[in-house]
Amino acid sequence: GEDVEQSLFLSVREGDSSVINCTYTDSSSTYLYWYKQEPGAGLQLLTYIFSNMDMKQDQRLTVLLNKKDKHLSLRIADTQTGDSAIYFCAEKGYNQGGKLIFGQGTELSVKP
Amino acid sequence: GAVVSQHPSRVICKSGTSVKIECRSLDFQATTMFWYRQFPKKSLMLMATSNEGSKATYEQGVEKDKFLINHASLTLSTLTVTSAHPEDSSFYICSANPVGANTGELFFGEGSRLTVL
Repeated sequence: GEDVEQSLFLSVREGDSSVINCTYTDSSSTYLYWYKQEPGAGLQLLTYIFSNMDMKQDQRLTVLLNKKDKHLSLRIADTQTGDSAIYFCAEKGYNQGGKLIFGQGTELSVKP
Repeated sequence: GAVVSQHPSRVICKSGTSVKIECRSLDFQATTMFWYRQFPKKSLMLMATSNEGSKATYEQGVEKDKFLINHASLTLSTLTVTSAHPEDSSFYICSANPVGANTGELFFGEGSRLTVL
């Protein structure tokens, strides 16, 4: 079946940039997503990118998509302690409605 | 953005009892909602697709008689965990896809934590 892979942990210092990487296998992906989950909470949609785009920027967040290599990244500029959370990459295949395939999540730890 | 609400957010029940979790879209209609399960420190696993007015579609390995799904209206889907056992303890999260939305936005509820004693 389709698969989404992420590294499990990332630690950065406050004020630095964070880059969270994700790879996927579904060549028919239409949308790719980044969600944030804080402890005990649901998923917060951070941003998403359509598969025919290669970059999307939204304030401190920059998403880069390399469709050829099936690689997605999320860059958080000026990372703050409040950004500490688990970040999930997810993809939606063609004609899959709202069915998403999630990566394992990357736990971001921001140190003061 | 659109709001999806789940209730209850936490529930503790005895083994053998049934528990119902509700998922509501508060400011949009959804013909389709999705139920996910998340184990501690793990990713989300899609359990089933809830279809308004028809039967739910279950993912492979998910027992349909164990996890009953009802999508009675365009704003409400329910998941009932029947004859719950401790191994059913988990974080259950729903998502909804707005009707007619031509975007990739998918919205998740806050999750419901089930603990079976």
